[in-house]
Formats: sequence, C-alpha cells, structure tokens
Amino acid sequence: DVKVTQSSRYLVKRTGEKVFLECVQDMDHENMFWYRQDPGLGLRLIYFSYDVKMKEKGDIPEGYSVSREKKERFSLILESASTNQTSMYLCASSFVPTSYEAFFGQGTRLTVV
Amino acid sequence: AQSVSQHNHHVILSEAASLELGCNYSYGGTVNLFWYVQYPGQHLQLLLKYFSGDPLVKGIKGFEAEFIKSKFSFNLRKPSVQWSDTAEYFCAVNAPSGNTPLVFGKGTRLSVIA
Repeated sequence: DVKVTQSSRYLVKRTGEKVFLECVQDMDHENMFWYRQDPGLGLRLIYFSYDVKMKEKGDIPEGYSVSREKKERFSLILESASTNQTSMYLCASSFVPTSYEAFFGQGTRLTVV
Repeated sequence: AQSVSQHNHHVILSEAASLELGCNYSYGGTVNLFWYVQYPGQHLQLLLKYFSGDPLVKGIKGFEAEFIKSKFSFNLRKPSVQWSDTAEYFCAVNAPSGNTPLVFGKGTRLSVIA
C-alpha cells in the first residue's frame, strides 16, 4: 500500500514564523506535489518536483518555497507565515508520467494567528 | 492552460436517488481525466480515471463516468447513492505527455440524507 505521510495533522503558528511542512512517500515515486485546499476553491498547486533537487512553480507559489534533497521527502516552507496562508495543505506523489494515479497524504491543517 | 469546471457546489440527495456530477475541462489536446473523492476526515483517493479507449469508465463503489470528447465533459454517475457516499468529489485533468500535474476543479460536496 502506498503511503504518503505528512508530519503533522494540525499546526498553529504565529504570523511571521518560518514554517516547515514535511512529506514522505514510500513508493519510490519520482513526482511529488504540494497543493493547498480551501473551501470553494478546490485544490491549487503550489509547487511540484519531478526529481531530487528539481522544482517547478505551480499556480500559487508566492510566499512558499520547497526543498527536495532526497527522493522520498518533499518539504514545503512558508518563509514568513501570514494569516492568508491558513489552509489545508496536501502532499501527493506519483510515478512518471503523471498519467499514473497521484496518491495523497492526510493533509496538514495550518492555522496562522 | 488547462482548467476544470464543476457545475455544482453542493448537492443534496436522498438515499437511493441517482447521482450525476458535472465536470467540464478546457484543454486543446489529449487529456487524462480523473475523479477523486474525499470522505470526511480522510485523504483524497482515486474513484476512477480515463486515459483512452472505452469512454465509459467504471470505478470503485459503483461509480462510473463518461468521457464525451465533443462536449469536453467527464460526468460522474451513480445509479443509487448511499449515506456513505457523503463526501467531496473532485474532477481533475492533466496532459498525458511529460510531467504535467493534476489540475483540479473546485469540488462538489455531496450530502446524502436518509
């Protein structure tokens, strides 16, 4: 069974803090993705990575960065958290090509106060 | 750029009613099409997918979807819903070549009442 594990289910951070969201997958997938999910807006792509040390911007990369030092791990970084980054963050992974099914983690609900 | 439209934001049905959720996409070329479901408190999981071949695709839990190329549509159907189908449903699309991520619609929340 494919597992995509996000390090926290719930996080509360203060405005201006640097926040790290971690994601690990155990299926040797090449692709990894970070989405944010907001009510009425669906899932929007923040960043994705198709190989170690490679990254591509998605639709809403502003205020975020990512790191992929190892194939199985993909980190999302909020450089200086703001209240408008309060959201549910979903990590996903898939094989290449991306016609393969993407597998999702449970999500991290981040609240910035 | 690809985009996906889901027509219904919230659908409320009684148990045993038939379900059809609309999904239209905008993209000029060949596409892969997906329906994902998110049950309350759970992660997104794949219901079904279409790559090529028979445009009527059957998925898990009695769901099916029909790809109509001329209408750029991929509607999800189920003949008789159950209370356990209460969830949020997302249509998604990507291009089959290269490394293109999934583009999701805004989702449709389905509430099934007894």
